[in-house]
Amino acid sequence: AQTVTQSQPEMSVQEAETVTLSCTYDTSESNYYLFWYKQPPSRQMILVIRQEAYKQQNATENRFSVNFQKAAKSFSLKISDSQLGDTAMYFCACSINNAGNMLTFGGGTRLMVKP
Amino acid sequence: DTGVSQDPRHKITKRGQNVTFRCDPISEHNRLYWYRQTLGQGPEFLTYFQNEAQLEKSRLLSDRFSAERPKGSFSTLEIQRTEQGDSAMYLCASSLLSLGETQYFGPGTRLLVL
Repeated sequence: AQTVTQSQPEMSVQEAETVTLSCTYDTSESNYYLFWYKQPPSRQMILVIRQEAYKQQNATENRFSVNFQKAAKSFSLKISDSQLGDTAMYFCACSINNAGNMLTFGGGTRLMVKP
Repeated sequence: DTGVSQDPRHKITKRGQNVTFRCDPISEHNRLYWYRQTLGQGPEFLTYFQNEAQLEKSRLLSDRFSAERPKGSFSTLEIQRTEQGDSAMYLCASSLLSLGETQYFGPGTRLLVL
């Protein structure tokens, strides 16, 4: 079974600054996918970024990028030029191909972007 | 293209009552997942379907929980004899059948058991 750990329950950042959210995971599988999801207050969960474990290149989506360290089983999310709309819970998640791709989530990091 | 929808959005019930939630996935998605999220925690996987087949149900929290997807389209999650500990957000997600395909989530049904 896989586990996902987010060690930062809460973080804050000033608008326009950069912030990095940490995530570590553990799995014995070699073929897996990693995700960051965002859940704004009282709104539904949306995908921020995904990473295929077999790809060495770190994924990037506009202001969002990841630092994927496969040997260390680390998958951090960097948000550049933070915006007020980035205020949300951020969840790191892992899915295993041969297990129906069900997602295993971390406990989340609450990010507050301050004006 | 409409997203995943769930009904109802909120449900208040008394302990011991049965409740049923509905999820309508994105139309071309053949995988459908149910998760439970308690306050301040990450979602926890419950069960999933590939078309109408329920391929994993060992994670359902007890035999009071059951799910169906009769025609491979919408799905229902039923909780019988609700308990206060069942109070949570129940999330539905859908995806295409593909390796590591992204799951798209609905808005959830928030259940409060009094």
